[in-house]
Amino acid sequence: QVQLQQWGAGLLQPSETLSLTCAVYGESFSGWNWVWIRQPPGKGLEWIGEFNHRGSTHYNPSLESRVTMSVDTSKNQFSLKLSSVTAADTAIYYCARGFPRRGVYSEIDYWGQGTLVTVSS
Amino acid sequence: DIQMTQSPSSLSASVGDRVTITCRASQGISNYLAWFQQKPGKAPKSLIYGASSLQSGVPSKFSGSGSGTDFTLTISSLQSEDVAAYYCQQYYDYPRTFGQGTKVEIK
Repeated sequence: QVQLQQWGAGLLQPSETLSLTCAVYGESFSGWNWVWIRQPPGKGLEWIGEFNHRGSTHYNPSLESRVTMSVDTSKNQFSLKLSSVTAADTAIYYCARGFPRRGVYSEIDYWGQGTLVTVSS
Repeated sequence: DIQMTQSPSSLSASVGDRVTITCRASQGISNYLAWFQQKPGKAPKSLIYGASSLQSGVPSKFSGSGSGTDFTLTISSLQSEDVAAYYCQQYYDYPRTFGQGTKVEIK
């Protein structure tokens, strides 16, 4: 059974860098895409980006200048960094796994539990 | 970006009713469409991929259809445990985009 467990700082001040990590349990780490999604309180889902199984990244253009995603295959973990946060970045952040069933077309199958990140002075 | 538009934004139906949610893409996405269920206070759960294929363990009361720009999610017989928000997502192009969600309640 695949499980994604995530953690990171829950309260940040404006201009700080958000940093979250997601650990993968129960299955091989390689061969999958690793995705980050966020959800502002009471609102819908926003795709942040993915680190795919070929080692390349795709970011949402709306966040691209501030986002960095990375993986640590030795620890079966992947990470998200978002710099220069503002109150608009307050959201629940989810990690997720993408299944590249048809090459570049990969659907999300497993989700982490979510981490609420609040940006406030 | 591909815009995903869901309708309705919310609905209220009786236990046992058949419920249908629609998702429309601003351009053709073949069948690269997923549906997710999010119960209050919980992480989303993956229901359907490829517009019509059920994820492992998802009950058969959920079904999806469509191709191109128009898609539907159907719950054949609504139960109290189906109270949730439902989201569609296209994975045809980057950035991946979600519909705004449909909140399903019991009447």
